[in-house]
Amino acid sequence: EAAVTQSPRNKVTVTGGNVTLSCRQTNSHNYMYWYRQDTGHGLRLIHYSYGAGNLQIGDVPDGYKATRTTQEDFFLLLELASPSQTSLYFCASSAAYEQYFGPGTRLTVL
Amino acid sequence: GDSVTQTEGQVALSEEDFLTIHCNYSASGYPTLFWYVQYPGEGPQLLFRASRDKEKGSSRGFEATYDKGTTSFHLRKASVQESDSAVYYCALSFNSGGSNAKLTFGKGTKLSVKS
Repeated sequence: EAAVTQSPRNKVTVTGGNVTLSCRQTNSHNYMYWYRQDTGHGLRLIHYSYGAGNLQIGDVPDGYKATRTTQEDFFLLLELASPSQTSLYFCASSAAYEQYFGPGTRLTVL
Repeated sequence: GDSVTQTEGQVALSEEDFLTIHCNYSASGYPTLFWYVQYPGEGPQLLFRASRDKEKGSSRGFEATYDKGTTSFHLRKASVQESDSAVYYCALSFNSGGSNAKLTFGKGTKLSVKS
């Protein structure tokens, strides 16, 4: 079964801070995704990638950068965090139709 | 752009009640439709999918039928249990070059079942 892990699981930072969220998948999937989940909005796609060095823009990319360093690792970067980025972030991977999600990272920006 | 609209907010039921969560989509093409379920403290997981008109997806007693005419994929279960309490997401995707493409999710419906 696909395994997707995320770190940290919880993060608190201040406005203007620099945050990196990490995601690793161990099932050799080509596609990886970053979502944010907010009450009233559901899951919204931030960025995704179909392989090392590739990056595709999602539906809510403003204020976020991402980098896919290897097939296993996908990072989400918030270089100047703002309170509006307080959210629950999920990473996912897929090889075909099914996406496998990690457990989430809860980020609070004060 | 593509979008998914589903029953908003929360649905509160008692055990053995019948469940319907409505899902309608808007897309310029022939998408694959999905239902995902998210249990408390976990990430979403695939419940089932359907790829063509009139195809029925099913899993764990839940089912939905792809209806291209009404652009719908309503989730139903005949008798819910307390363990079904979760958030349910309807989603669509267009298969791109034989590999998965991005999912567009609805806003989610929280199901609460009391014993």
